[in-house]
Amino acid sequence: DTGVSQDPRHKITKRGQNVTFRCDPISEHNRLYWYRQTLGQGPEFLTYFQNEAQLEKSRLLSDRFSAERPKGSFSTLEIQRTEQGDSAMYLCASSPRGRMNTGELFFGEGSRLTVL
Amino acid sequence: QKEVEQNSGPLSVPEGAIASLNCTYSDRGSQSFFWYRQYSGKSPELIMSIYSNGDKEDGRFTAQLNKASQYVSLLIRDSQPSDSATYLCAVVSGNTPLVFGKGTRLSVIA
Repeated sequence: DTGVSQDPRHKITKRGQNVTFRCDPISEHNRLYWYRQTLGQGPEFLTYFQNEAQLEKSRLLSDRFSAERPKGSFSTLEIQRTEQGDSAMYLCASSPRGRMNTGELFFGEGSRLTVL
Repeated sequence: QKEVEQNSGPLSVPEGAIASLNCTYSDRGSQSFFWYRQYSGKSPELIMSIYSNGDKEDGRFTAQLNKASQYVSLLIRDSQPSDSATYLCAVVSGNTPLVFGKGTRLSVIA
């Protein structure tokens, strides 16, 4: 299967710890997105990359959040000094090369974070 | 702040009926519109896209777009229990990434 892959699927951590999530997009997709979703809400945009360039970052994203896509392939999302409010599902998605302004995203299964 | 509004539901329909899901959006310049389906505990999955006014049909699904009213809808004909899920409306405006509504939970009763 060559879909979007996320790791770990579940992470439980104590408040104040750092966590890192990894996303491997579909191989020919050049755009990669991170969204966050809490219960009863739609996915909320965090940031996105075109190849290795981070093109946009949500104003809602605090300085404790950082994302990278160093070689334009996989991406990592790090949360430093986690807070209970960071508990959510972190969704990664990718979209195909050559499609501008596409909303046709392919999502991974998500990484669920629980901060105790 | 670009917004996408949906009734959270739940919307309950009997098996075989037509389910009608509605969505409004705030940015008049929006140009691309999408419906995603999300089963409980799963990630969203694209089911329909629509870019111009009117109707677009795909199997049992019909998306409708009215840009003048800033309104998008999704009709599901012959609803099945397997259609029970949350349906997310999502919109693209300019170069901004996809903005999602909160979703409408649909329950199809056998």
